[in-house]
Amino acid sequence: AQKVTQAQTEISVVEKEDVTLDCVYETRDTTYYLFWYKQPPSGELVFLIRRNSFDEQNEISGRYSWNFQKSTSSFNFTITASQVVDSAVYFCALSDGGGADGLTFGKGTHLIIQP
Amino acid sequence: DAGVIQSPRHEVTEMGQEVTLRCKPISGHNSLFWYRQTMMRGLELLIYFNNNVPIDDSGMPEDRFSAKMPNASFSTLKIQPSEPRDSAVYFCASSPSNREETDTQYFGPGTRLTVL
Repeated sequence: AQKVTQAQTEISVVEKEDVTLDCVYETRDTTYYLFWYKQPPSGELVFLIRRNSFDEQNEISGRYSWNFQKSTSSFNFTITASQVVDSAVYFCALSDGGGADGLTFGKGTHLIIQP
Repeated sequence: DAGVIQSPRHEVTEMGQEVTLRCKPISGHNSLFWYRQTMMRGLELLIYFNNNVPIDDSGMPEDRFSAKMPNASFSTLKIQPSEPRDSAVYFCASSPSNREETDTQYFGPGTRLTVL
């Protein structure tokens, strides 16, 4: 069975600080995909990144970066120089690939950026 | 490009009434998913379709829930009869089948359902 754990329920930091959101996953599949989604206060789910199990390169997109480590089954998300607009709930998710299967989501981390 | 469209955005109904939620996936996407979000259970998959065929409905909570996808551009999720514990935000998502983006799901804005 698949499982995604986001141990940090809520994180509060002051604007401009760096913050890392942790994600640990469990799967028996050798091919799988990992995702991060953002849910701002308005409620929609915004796709941020997709990473397959064969690509362990870290990714950077502006102030966002992701660190994928298969050895520890982790896919952590770092926001550099956080801004108030980054305040949202962030979800890590997993699918087993091989086609269009449903996502298994973590419980989410509520990130609060204080001005 | 239009994203996933869901209607209604908000629905308030009384216990025992039938509720129908609607979804229009992104044009060209072959897979469609229904999820439910609650405080207690988080985001959970209810059912998904591939090429209009239901593939996995193991997440549907009980027989009161049913979903259909009569064509590639429309799906419904029906609850009959509704109960207060069905109150949640229901999300529809769609996914393309092209090699580069398989499994990336794009979500609609959700329908917030309140059953009194």
